[in-house]
Amino acid sequence: SQKIEQNSEALNIQEGKTATLTCNYTNYSPAYLQWYRQDPGRGPVFLLLIRENEKEKRKERLKVTFDTTLKQSLFHITASQPADSATYLCALLRSSASKIIFGSGTRLSIRP
Amino acid sequence: GAGVSQSPSNKVTEKGKDVELRCDPISGHTALYWYRQSLGQGLEFLIYFQGNSAPDKSGLPSDRFSAERTGGSVSTLTIQRTQQEDSAVYLCASSWGTSGPSTDTQYFGPGTRLTVL
Repeated sequence: SQKIEQNSEALNIQEGKTATLTCNYTNYSPAYLQWYRQDPGRGPVFLLLIRENEKEKRKERLKVTFDTTLKQSLFHITASQPADSATYLCALLRSSASKIIFGSGTRLSIRP
Repeated sequence: GAGVSQSPSNKVTEKGKDVELRCDPISGHTALYWYRQSLGQGLEFLIYFQGNSAPDKSGLPSDRFSAERTGGSVSTLTIQRTQQEDSAVYLCASSWGTSGPSTDTQYFGPGTRLTVL
């Protein structure tokens, strides 16, 4: 069955460092991969989309990579800040399907 | 402008009762999605509406779950004869529906937390 794994339930890092979150998938061939941020008691907020033919996408302090051979995406936050503390979700989509598959998320904590 | 709104924010019900959850999408958005998020789990797709097309119901877990979207705007998710395993946060999202679910940016509501006793 299709499966998405995000590297760990929680990640704690020091402010100013780069946070790296991992999303691995099996038994799936996504055409697109998305990353979302979710704060407690709120719905997810879309951050970035990367296509299967793109290796890397950047947006301000965020960088996403997509390796279809390794079946892995890495999500980086550079110069991390306490305000970046949240749960980050990856989601996979096929080009013709409406059913999006979400990972369970990684809770990121940035300590001052 | 106003985002996606959902009501109620919290719902506590007894096992066996029916519940209705409401979603008001962003004005002008033609696509609407329902998801379920259980504690420590990722979002689980339930149903997708796009304009006047037949909805994609492939994610509904049982025939106790149904949803409708009236007038292409407001949507109601109904769970009949609720069970304790239905306890979760139910999230609604909407999008412009111009480029398809794969690349459309979805805007999520705050969710309805359902607790079945």
